[in-house]
Amino acid sequence: DGGITQSPKYLFRKEGQNVTLSCEQNLNHDAMYWYRQDPGQGLRLIYYSQIVNDFQKGDIAEGYSVSREKKESFPLTVTSAQKNPTAFYLCASSNSGQKETQYFGPGTRLLVL
Amino acid sequence: GENVEQHPSTLSVQEGDSAVIKCTYSDSASNYFPWYKQELGKGPQLIIDIRSNVGEKKDQRIAVTLNKTAKHFSLHITETQPEDSAVYFCAANPPETALIFGKGTTLSVSS
Repeated sequence: DGGITQSPKYLFRKEGQNVTLSCEQNLNHDAMYWYRQDPGQGLRLIYYSQIVNDFQKGDIAEGYSVSREKKESFPLTVTSAQKNPTAFYLCASSNSGQKETQYFGPGTRLLVL
Repeated sequence: GENVEQHPSTLSVQEGDSAVIKCTYSDSASNYFPWYKQELGKGPQLIIDIRSNVGEKKDQRIAVTLNKTAKHFSLHITETQPEDSAVYFCAANPPETALIFGKGTTLSVSS
């Protein structure tokens, strides 16, 4: 069963805590992406990676970090520096290059306790 | 950088009517324009896309048109059904970066 998986579906963060959101794909895609979705704001790009061991900041990278040690995995860490982390987080992947379709995972909803 | 504007933010239609959602983009180098449908609590699903060398594309009840000169593209849904109710996003793909999305349109189809 091919596709993109994100875990967990819901995640709770305490003040001052770092949390990591998982994203795995078995589509053999080179590129992976993280977006944040807030009501009425659409999807905003946090980080993206076009190849293993390389990634670039998106529009709202502050307070987030990523790694890309394996082609199929692109975890996102929400650090304590992100003061407003409550949102729906979406991971996507695509073959590299422009004009390539991005496929999305089911999302992780992060809530602050 | 690229900026994508999407209108309207909400759209209510009667079942069987047509729905049109419009987007404009700013970067003339963008050359790929997908449309996604998102149901509540789920990830967006691609429904149709168009590349810059094509002016129109149709897939059953869904069509997309692109005007590169004016830098705008539109989604047309004909014979709407209640299951078409969802949030729809347009996007543009500028060079050397990821898709840039519009803010979404909430479509409600009432029976």
